[in-house]
Amino acid sequence: DTAVSQTPKYLVTQMGNDKSIKCEQNLGHDTMYWYKQDSKKFLKIMFSYNNKELIINETVPNRFSPKSPDKAHLNLHINSLELGDSAVYFCASSSQNRDRRATQYFGPGTRLLVL
Amino acid sequence: DQQVKQNSPSLSVQEGRISILNCDYTNSMFDYFLWYKKYPAEGPTFLISISSIKDKNEDGRFTVFLNKSAKHLSLHIVPSQPGDSAVYFCAASFNTNAGKSTFGDGTTLTVKP
Repeated sequence: DTAVSQTPKYLVTQMGNDKSIKCEQNLGHDTMYWYKQDSKKFLKIMFSYNNKELIINETVPNRFSPKSPDKAHLNLHINSLELGDSAVYFCASSSQNRDRRATQYFGPGTRLLVL
Repeated sequence: DQQVKQNSPSLSVQEGRISILNCDYTNSMFDYFLWYKKYPAEGPTFLISISSIKDKNEDGRFTVFLNKSAKHLSLHIVPSQPGDSAVYFCAASFNTNAGKSTFGDGTTLTVKP
C-alpha cells in the first residue's frame, strides 16, 4: 500500500539514450511534482502538475518532458540523456484542495546514472 | 541564488541531548515553512511545519521556531534518539502557491548512542 511509488528504482544507461521514469500515487492527491537531487544533495523542483495541468515548469532543458495521463500518474521522459542528468529523481504529491499549505509526500526516488 | 540555506552540512549529538538544526531564508514573502526528514535510499518525509503567523510549533519531541525578523527557523529535537539520525531538509513556500516549496540543501544529523 505504498503511497507514492516510482519505477524503476535504479536506472543505468548510456549517453544519448531516451528513458522514462514512472510515478504513481494512491493518496487521491491532485498535484504531483518531479524533483531532481544532484550530487550536492540539493532538492530542486522541475515540474508540477495539478489535475493533469502543468502549473510549475522550472528552467529545465526541453529534453525533459513530463506527462500526466491522469491525476494519479506523472511520468518523466528524458531524451538524449547527458552525463549531467545523473542524479536522484523524486516524485511527490500533495493535495491543494484539502490544505492549501500543501505537505508533499515523496516517492523513494529513482537513481539515474548516465555513462 | 539559493533562497533557503542550511549552513551546517552535518551535526553530531549524543543520545538524550538536544539537536538544533538551523535554516535561513532570504525571501521575506515566504509564509509557510516545513521540515522534512530523509533516510538513505528513501524519499523525504514530512516532519513538522509552521505558518508565518506563529513563532513556534511543537509536535512531541520536535519543535520548530520561526524568527521572521531574522529570516531564520530552527528545528529542535529533544531528547535526540539514534533513530533520528537522518538528513533534515527545511523548505519554504508561498501561500499563493503552496505546492511550490524551495528546499535547503540538508543537514545530516548523527545521534550517537
